[in-house]
Amino acid sequence: GAVVSQHPSRVICKSGTSVKIECRSLDFQATTMFWYRQFPKKSLMLMATSNEGSKATYEQGVEKDKFLINHASLTLSTLTVTSAHPEDSSFYICSAQRTGSNYGYTFGSGTRLTVV
Amino acid sequence: DAKTTQPPSMDCAEGRAANLPCNHSTISGNEYVYWYRQIHSQGPQYIIHGLKNNETNEMASLIITEDRKSSTLILPHATLRDTAVYYCIVSDNAGNMLTFGGGTRLMVKP
Repeated sequence: GAVVSQHPSRVICKSGTSVKIECRSLDFQATTMFWYRQFPKKSLMLMATSNEGSKATYEQGVEKDKFLINHASLTLSTLTVTSAHPEDSSFYICSAQRTGSNYGYTFGSGTRLTVV
Repeated sequence: DAKTTQPPSMDCAEGRAANLPCNHSTISGNEYVYWYRQIHSQGPQYIIHGLKNNETNEMASLIITEDRKSSTLILPHATLRDTAVYYCIVSDNAGNMLTFGGGTRLMVKP
């Protein structure tokens, strides 16, 4: 149990366009999901906390107008990278925790974004 | 800031036990120790977690010192597929985000 599905796994887009990444909890409800970004050979860095039915909380230095987060249901959070630039190219990963779970936090498989 | 310290890299021979240390000297009484691993270009995978007692599951064993200031993840019989970056994280398990440190890059060699 406690499966998190992330889609797409890979995406290439042109500079200036927007890309939406979906994160779904398949077998549990998640009031909170987390979005991380990971650059090559670096650790995961938290970008924002996604809260169902309310505004996301962004970490310092993360532009909320550039990285739009929507958590419209208890099983879906989306991250939209707006007006993408090559420096936004990275590995984006979402995470959620099943309440009362013994599985800890479950992570999606990640999305490799390349902006050309 | 991450609350844990791990060696940046370790090697292990295939079939031998891999012992990965983690220092978490500032851990609070209500914080758990979590271990995750990340294989290249994948999301982190949960391995095990514990509060005070040693824990064992089908993947690994977790040994936590009595003062809880450090722990060791043990992979009893490492295989080549265990090559990954292993992250030790402390969290209060209250729905707050996990903070990742640098992790340990484990290389299992034939």
